Amino acid sequence: AQKITQTQPGMFVQEKEAVTLDCTYDTSDQSYGLFWYKQPSSGEMIFLIYQGSYDEQNATEGRYSLNFQKARKSANLVISASQLGDSAMYFCAMKGAGSYQLTFGKGTKLSVIP
Amino acid sequence: DTAVSQTPKYLVTQMGNDKSIKCEQNLGHDTMYWYKQDSKKFLKIMFSYNNKELIINETVPNRFSPKSPDKAHLNLHINSLELGDSAVYFCASSQAGSYNEQFFGPGTRLTVL
Repeated sequence: AQKITQTQPGMFVQEKEAVTLDCTYDTSDQSYGLFWYKQPSSGEMIFLIYQGSYDEQNATEGRYSLNFQKARKSANLVISASQLGDSAMYFCAMKGAGSYQLTFGKGTKLSVIP
Repeated sequence: DTAVSQTPKYLVTQMGNDKSIKCEQNLGHDTMYWYKQDSKKFLKIMFSYNNKELIINETVPNRFSPKSPDKAHLNLHINSLELGDSAVYFCASSQAGSYNEQFFGPGTRLTVL
């Protein structure tokens, strides 16, 4: 069984500052993938970034980077230079090798303050 | 071009009715999914189809029945709707394989009165 824990129900960040959203996971799989999705108030789910369990380097996509610490089973999302449009719910998710489904955390609501 | 589309976007209906939500993807993906997002924003897998075959069927009431007429479509039919079925239902698709992201549709907000 897989489990994702996001301990921050809500976060505030000043515009242009960096913010880290926490995610820890639990799995018995040796190979797995970790994903972050953004859900703005309009409701759609937007894929942000992916990290494979065997990737040696942390994933980066523009202003998003994933701080992957395998021994700690954490996959925190770092957003640099926050923008007002970053205000949204952020979900961490994982998928085990050979599995089709994503297991989601409960999400973190990020609010960017001007 | 919309990658994953769902219709309708909003669905308001009375308890006891039967309704369907349609999903189509034009990404050429092999696998499609239905997720339910409850009022607390928690997302949970309901069903998954790979090449028109059911591969995931989580513990959902058998009033929910998915149907996949072809690889590009996965519809969700719900019989005898109950108040607790009110939620946002997301369709998603991906290529098979653990490391491929899932692309989500815009969601269907179902309200049962």
